[in-house]
Amino acid sequence: ETGVTQSPTHLIKTRGQQVTLRCSSQSGHNTVSWYQQALGQGPQFIFQYYREEENGRGNFPPRFSGLQFPNYSSELNVNALELDDSALYLCASSPGPIPSGEQYFGPGTRLTVT
Amino acid sequence: AQSVTQPDIHITVSEGASLELRCNYSYGATPYLFWYVQSPGQGLQLLLKYFSGDTLVQGIKGFEAEFKRSQSSFNLRKPSVHWSDAAEYFCAVGGSYNTDKLIFGTGTRLQVFP
Repeated sequence: ETGVTQSPTHLIKTRGQQVTLRCSSQSGHNTVSWYQQALGQGPQFIFQYYREEENGRGNFPPRFSGLQFPNYSSELNVNALELDDSALYLCASSPGPIPSGEQYFGPGTRLTVT
Repeated sequence: AQSVTQPDIHITVSEGASLELRCNYSYGATPYLFWYVQSPGQGLQLLLKYFSGDTLVQGIKGFEAEFKRSQSSFNLRKPSVHWSDAAEYFCAVGGSYNTDKLIFGTGTRLQVFP
């Protein structure tokens, strides 16, 4: 059983560019959540995907968008990058959006915007 | 407003000493509470969770936490700290409908001296 994987590990982009981050969920998990963790802060919920549909969104602008594929892997897209988007982006998968607490996090993608 | 407060940004203890990390929450409904640990370059690992029932919950790595509704607290404890416990610790709260959409505190960095 493989855990949650994310790619790439690190990424450097220029302000105004667009970026795509990828996440493979744990086997058997159909729900993926994305979090942004700025330096020295706790993770902040961006959005969640359940069976390819967005299932809730945090306080992030529309330039943060996502996708979930039939195999339940997911992408996070950020357009028009800003310096404040520099952060660790964490993906987490779970068996479903029901109260289970069984959410497993990947190692994250470190995005630096210059 | 829903929030989690971890009053201690940084705690230093000697190996073998006891540990208590504080967490206070503000949540309008029945809270589901979590403690996660994050080592450098790693994702978040769930230490323990509280949904209902016994207010003292046991987790992995010898950690336990006590839910006190009257104090809106969920403090994490360990009777004897090991050097390998040095990491960042996050308290989080979720709702009964979807425990994946977590609100995290800002974290407490634990340093352990030999």
